[in-house]
Amino acid sequence: DIQMTQSPSSLSASVGDRVTITCRASQSISRYLNWYQQKPGKAPNLLIYDASSLQSGVPSRFSGGGSGTDFTLTISSLQPEDFATYYCQQSHSAPPTFGQGTKVEIK
Amino acid sequence: QVQLVQSGAEVKKPGASVKVSCKASGYTFTSYGISWVRQAPGQGLEWMGWISAYNGNTNYAQKIQGRVTMTTDTSTTTAYMELRSLRSDDTAVYYCARGPNTLGNEDYWGQGTLVTVSS
Repeated sequence: DIQMTQSPSSLSASVGDRVTITCRASQSISRYLNWYQQKPGKAPNLLIYDASSLQSGVPSRFSGGGSGTDFTLTISSLQPEDFATYYCQQSHSAPPTFGQGTKVEIK
Repeated sequence: QVQLVQSGAEVKKPGASVKVSCKASGYTFTSYGISWVRQAPGQGLEWMGWISAYNGNTNYAQKIQGRVTMTTDTSTTTAYMELRSLRSDDTAVYYCARGPNTLGNEDYWGQGTLVTVSS
């Protein structure tokens, strides 16, 4: 199985900050990388698919980049509703695997 | 609008089985599959498997293969996930999600079903 490693595991940031989360795959996955946001007690929500395509309805402050083994999720200006846990998922090979998550907390 | 509505919380004893349902609406059920993903308390997301609503083909995670069965009922647009021989480490919130294939890309999710395994 492909292993996905996110960094950092958690971060503290303020409203308005630019935040970047990194996801690394154990082997090349081309651009088959998704990002999900999960708030406490809620189901995950798809933000980005195919590394950089914004899911319908997702604010443009979210962006994704990368290819091969290294990927990023960037929030250009953190909003109060963005405090959540973020997961990457590779969709290159079965079984699809998730990173361990990055918790974004209020500073 | 696309909706996935899951059955309610369950409490089971070790060794028992649980069957969780996922009622889909707002799209053509047979044009997609259903993934099942679980999340143990305070932990990350674990993909369990996927079933095609078109032809019933399945792909299960190796970790639970042999204990899990995923099915669909196209007449009621409902998907089911049955997990047998439950252990305490199966305690988790179980999610169904719409997925186009066995490679993830889940775009709509159910609200989750808490399954607690305790003696």
